[in-house]
This record gives sequence, structure tokens and C-alpha cells, in this order.
Amino acid sequence: QVQLQQCGAELVKPGTPVKMSCKVSGYTFTSYVISWIKQTTGQGLEWIGYIYPESGSTGYNEKFKGKATLTVDKSSNTAFMQLSSLAAGDSAVYYCAREGAYGYLDYWGQGVMVTVSS
Amino acid sequence: DTVLTQSPALAVSPGERVTISCRASESVSTGMHWYQQKPGQQPKLLIYGASNLESGVPARFSGSGSGTDFTLTIDPVEADDTATYFCQQSWNDPFTFGSGTKLEIK
Repeated sequence: QVQLQQCGAELVKPGTPVKMSCKVSGYTFTSYVISWIKQTTGQGLEWIGYIYPESGSTGYNEKFKGKATLTVDKSSNTAFMQLSSLAAGDSAVYYCAREGAYGYLDYWGQGVMVTVSS
Repeated sequence: DTVLTQSPALAVSPGERVTISCRASESVSTGMHWYQQKPGQQPKLLIYGASNLESGVPARFSGSGSGTDFTLTIDPVEADDTATYFCQQSWNDPFTFGSGTKLEIK
């Protein structure tokens, strides 16, 4: 069965980066785009960007350019997102999701809760 | 960015029919999708392409609309349908989500 496995939670200090992973199983990793989504109580769900594992090509929401960097490791079927210079507003749950043909997100990871605090 | 507007909350009784609306600030054609999210869980895809039922989702769920006005219908509603429902558009860049409609089953 399709699974996107994410690690549980991160507590990080302001100004530091964080890198989170999304390990995929149950389908051919290079055949589907992976999207990343931020969820907060205040702002709701926000689409951060996507990466196509086959080529490594990426696309970002303008709001997250310079904040998020998406990469993949095809050898381990894992997608990564690094967030730079974290601030309080970056505290959120971050999801990875598999993107279907028409831009829908058909499988989601369980999310990583990132808390930015000194 | 395309803004998706949803009503914040609804309350219905089991067995009733409920419609959840999503209005887009510009046309998204049929690039509209619906998700269900329960507390502490990730969103789950229900409907894609405005009206296509995702595999494994009960036929009680249906979607309709095109352009700027979309509807998710649950008929009949069951107690387990208590959740927040989000719409998402993939027609315009960037993808955007509605703020969610919290459904309470009385």
C-alpha cells in the first residue's frame, strides 16, 4: 500500500534551519510529484511547492521561495524539505503528499510538527 | 492567488443531507478537490476533479460544480463524518486551499 512516512516532531531555535524527510513506499517514487503543505491554526493549509523525483525539478509558491528547499534521494525513495532561518511564524505542521495527475493530493504523510522556540 | 471561500461551520443530524460550498475568486475550471480532516490526522482525499469519487470513499460523498462555484454533498450524513472539510484548487498557480468547513453531527 502507498505510504509516505514522516518523522514526528521537531523543536528548533529561531534562526536555525530544519530538514525533514518523507520516505515513500508502495509505488514507484519517480513516477509522481511530491508536494509539501504547511498547516497552521491561523493560516490554514498552504501549498509550499513540489518536486518531481525523476528529474529533481521543483516549483515553489512565491511566498515560500527562499524559505523552503525541496530535494530528493532516489536511492532511498525519500523526499526532503529544508526550511531556513526559522521564526515563530514557521511553527506549523508540515505534510508531504503525493500529487495525482490533476493536482489533487491523494496520499499524505502523517505530518511533522515543527515548533520554533528559544 | 486564487482565494477559496468556505462557510466556517455546519451542524446537521445523522441521516440528513448536507452541502458544503466552496467559492473561488476566479475560475478554476474543474480543478477543484475536496478533503476530509479529522483532529490529529492528515487530510484525506474525497473528491478530485470537482466530481470524481476517490477510490474507497463511500458513495454518500459527491461533488459538483465548475468555474467558481463548487459543492461537496454528503447524503446521508453519518456520525463518523464529523470532521473539517477543505477544498483545494489546482488550476491556478499556486495551489490554494479553502479555510475549511467544520461539520458537526448533532
